[in-house]
Amino acid sequence: AQSVTQLDSHVSVSEGTPVLLRCNYSSSYSPSLFWYVQHPNKGLQLLLKYTSAATLVKGINGFEAEFKKSETSFHLTKPSAHMSDAAEYFCVVSTNFGNEKLTFGTGTRLTIIP
Amino acid sequence: SAVISQKPSRDICQRGTSLTIQCQVDSQVTMMFWYRQQPGQSLTLIATANQGSEATYESGFVIDKFPISRPNLTFSTLTVSNMSPEDSSIYLCSVKTTAKNIQYFGAGTRLSVL
Repeated sequence: AQSVTQLDSHVSVSEGTPVLLRCNYSSSYSPSLFWYVQHPNKGLQLLLKYTSAATLVKGINGFEAEFKKSETSFHLTKPSAHMSDAAEYFCVVSTNFGNEKLTFGTGTRLTIIP
Repeated sequence: SAVISQKPSRDICQRGTSLTIQCQVDSQVTMMFWYRQQPGQSLTLIATANQGSEATYESGFVIDKFPISRPNLTFSTLTVSNMSPEDSSIYLCSVKTTAKNIQYFGAGTRLSVL
């Protein structure tokens, strides 16, 4: 079984300040972990992906995430928020053991304060 | 990456009717998926549609309500049958590319049932 918990349903930061979106996962097998972003009235876009290579993963638009097995966490960060980062962010887990199913977290809505 | 086109992008339907959603991909893919995103919620997998086999439905979803076709490696349809207001959601198609083991999503179909 696999599951994802996004610890914050809503995060607000000021433009130019750091962003931290928290995610904890549970997986019976070696997981693949993803962060997707959904802008209003848009589809989902892949930000980054972890698949047991480097624990620090760099994605698009300046985002990165660190896989910490001991803490079962995969938090998403960005050093400096832009107005265009305002969106819904989903942490997603998938196992590598022949199961292609993605399990989505409940999402974190990121608001950027001008 | 894969480019996914979904039609229609949105629709308003009457209770008791059915709607067929189309998903077209710009390249051949083995695995296609259909998700539902209810208002203000995360994504839930409805079924996996592989070409040449019957779709595999997740718990809580049945073929009579959500019949799926997968006639070739670039196309799939999802029908929402005998609709009720509870079916009002965004329905998203996704595909998995073998090369990168990543799922790409269409922009979704916004369905409102009156």
